[in-house]
This record gives sequence, C-alpha cells and structure tokens, in this order.
Amino acid sequence: DSGVTQTPKHLITATGQRVTLRCSPRSGDLSVYWYQQSLDQGLQFLIQYYNGEERAKGNILERFSAQQFPDLHSELNLSSLELGDSALYFCASRLSGGVTGELFFGEGSRLTVL
Amino acid sequence: AQKITQTQPGMFVQEKEAVTLDCTYDTSDQSYGLFWYKQPSSGEMIFLIYQGSYDEQNATEGRYSLNFQKARKSANLVISASQLGDSAMYFCATVGGTSYGKLTFGQGTILTVHP
Repeated sequence: DSGVTQTPKHLITATGQRVTLRCSPRSGDLSVYWYQQSLDQGLQFLIQYYNGEERAKGNILERFSAQQFPDLHSELNLSSLELGDSALYFCASRLSGGVTGELFFGEGSRLTVL
Repeated sequence: AQKITQTQPGMFVQEKEAVTLDCTYDTSDQSYGLFWYKQPSSGEMIFLIYQGSYDEQNATEGRYSLNFQKARKSANLVISASQLGDSAMYFCATVGGTSYGKLTFGQGTILTVHP
C-alpha cells in the first residue's frame, strides 16, 4: 500500500460525459502529479500541483482540468469525453516537487468511455 | 528535457536466477533522479528503487539493485533470485532538476519468470 488513495477504481461512461477522479496523497506529501497511461501513448504526465498551486503542465487536453484543495487532495476533471480518453489515470505524490525522493503512485482509476 | 530508453520489450528469466533490465537516459540537468517501477497485470505502479545523480553508491532495496553508470548514462535494474511474482512490466523513469519533479518514463520491459 503506497498510501496514495484514488477513487473510483473503475469508471465506465459514455462519450460526451464528464467525470471527476479523486486523489488523496500520502500523509505529509505536498506535491501531487497526474499521469495518463494508455496503450498507444504509454505513461504521459498531465499536471502537477504543489501545496495547492499548479506547478507544471504536461500533455493535458483543454477538456481536462485539475485542482488541489487546501487539505491537499486533488481532483482531475475530464469533460466532453471521447473514446480515446479511455485509459488508466494515476495520481502520485511526494513530499517535495524537486529531484530527490520517491514518487508513490495510487492504484489508478481505470476509465472506459463507450 | 529528459528521455528514457528501454531497449528490451520483453525478457525471460528462470526462477531463482538474476536478471538485468536495461535503461539508458538522456538529460541536460546536472542534478537528476532515476527510478524503477513495477506494474503487475493488476495495473498498480509499485515503486522499487531510486538513485540520485550525486549518489556515489549504487542503490539497493532487498533483491533490487540499480547499476548506475553515470558516464554511460545507464541505470540498469538488477533483480536477484527471481520469483514468479516478479513477472510484470518494469518502467525506468527520470526526473530532472528543471522539471519540477515530474517523471519521464520509458516504454517499459515485460519480464516473465519461468518456473
């Protein structure tokens, strides 16, 4: 158990819909990262928050948004869903936003868009 | 920018033998970190081992060790005494000092352990 909690674990929805994925980081970790893993793209970095503020952005679509709340949990919102958005979405956390230290992943939220 | 190359799409090993999974990296950062993760068929990403670029000794965690050769920009994972439960996808990743802690992953290597 990494200590990072993601909900829901599985989600099936239809094209055009909107979903919210939730992440609770490990106790004490200030930095939260979102990654998308699909068969054709591999593991892609989406966005990072550090202590409530957006720190870095990766290949995140405009239809996607995220935020980190004062209690440090984070949510990833995916809207106007397309078939290609079907993927495993990971949240990860670490104490800092720098180079050192381990990055721990949650178990992922598997999204299926039909 | 960082880049990770894992040249072995699949590897096979006999139970109880050692296996080396290759990883080369490319980074312009002076300070960086290297990671290995295991992803079993159930999907979760399990942290295995971490090596900092300024660490002089190779990192070890139980049966896992990271063979860090800075001049060659390689960070191979060595698994000793393989077990059937080691069968999984293995990812090498790096984080650079200018990347705010975000990891760049390789394409992964599927390891199959035979009894």
